[in-house]
This record gives sequence, structure tokens and C-alpha cells, in this order.
Amino acid sequence: KQEVTQIPAALSVPEGENLVLNCSFTDSAIYNLQWFRQDPGKGLTSLLLIQSSQREQTSGRLNASLDKSSGRSTLYIAASQPGDSATYLCALGPDSSYKLIFGSGTRLLVRP
Amino acid sequence: NAGVTQTPKFQVLKTGQSMTLQCAQDMNHNSMYWYRQDPGMGLRLIYYSASEGTTDKGEVPNGYNVSRLNKREFSLRLESAAPSQTSVYFCASGRGTTSSYNEQFFGPGTRLTVL
Repeated sequence: KQEVTQIPAALSVPEGENLVLNCSFTDSAIYNLQWFRQDPGKGLTSLLLIQSSQREQTSGRLNASLDKSSGRSTLYIAASQPGDSATYLCALGPDSSYKLIFGSGTRLLVRP
Repeated sequence: NAGVTQTPKFQVLKTGQSMTLQCAQDMNHNSMYWYRQDPGMGLRLIYYSASEGTTDKGEVPNGYNVSRLNKREFSLRLESAAPSQTSVYFCASGRGTTSSYNEQFFGPGTRLTVL
């Protein structure tokens, strides 16, 4: 059974620091991987989608990578800002069914 | 575009009552989803609809029913609410025409409490 893990559960960094969030999965046969952010009491906002044939995607200060052979994806945030404070979730599509399996998230706090 | 909208935002029910959660999307997406989010359990898929006219069970379908009314609307019904269904419910839609490019977009959620 596919499992998605995000470690650490919480992270606190000073403003301006570059940081990496981790997402690991147990089965390398995936269709895609998506990163989201969730602000307290709000819905999920899609950040990046990586298809299984891709190695990375970039959007502004965000860069997501995918290494299926090692069962790992990372989300790199450059020059972090207090507005980046949120919970970051990764989710993967395990097959052709359009479903997503979510990790439990990393709660990020960027201190001014 | 409003994206994915959900009604109501908040709801309190008594055990045994029924209700329908409404979801609509204006992005012309084919697939739609219902998730629940619980502390310590993460997001779990309840039901999904890969295209208009089809629905399938997700990870936690018991106690729920769904209707894909048309391409825009996907409703979730609780026939006899139980305290275990207290949760935050999210609707999502997916823009991919293939499963490998199915980026999902979420609504703001419905916070449901069952007493």
C-alpha cells in the first residue's frame, strides 16, 4: 500500500533563509506528485504539479523535484518570507484513477 | 472565475439528521472530488467523479452518497449524520485530461459538527 510521509512535522526558520521540505513515498510507480499550501482555516492552494516523466518544476521562488527511484520529492523555497508561513502538503497520484494520496504536511513558520 | 465554491461554510447537525453539501466549479474541469480532513488523519478521499455521469468510492465512503448533477456540480449527502462525521469537508476539481496531468484545485471547505 502506498504511503506518503512528510518529515519534519513542523519547521521554524528566520526570514531570508532558503529551505527544503521533504516528501517520501513507498512505491515508485506514481503518475504525478502535487505540492499544496494550506493557511489556517482555509482550503488548499496548488503550488506545483510534477508529472511522472518530469524531474522538476519551478514557479517563482519555489522549485519542486521528483526522484521516483528513491521515493522522494523536495520543495525548495528560496529567500523565505513571513508570508510563506503555512502548512505544506504533498500528494501523489498512485495510478490512472485520478485519486490523490496525501501526506500529513509540514507546518512552516518563517520568523521576521 | 470563482474557481471551486462550496456551501455552506459552517453547519451544525444533530445525530441522525441529514444534509447535502454543495460544490460547484466554473473551470470546465472533468473530474471532481470530495475529501475530509481530520486532525492526525490528514486528507482522505470520500468519493470522486472522473467525468460527468460517473462516480466512484474513495478511501472512506461509508455513510455518504454523492451526485454528479452536471459537469459543474458535485454534491455530497449525509443521510443520517453521526458524530464521527464531524470534520472539515473539501471539494476539489481536476483539470487534467489524463491522470498524469490532473492538477487538483480545492474549495474553501465546509466545517461540519455533528452533536
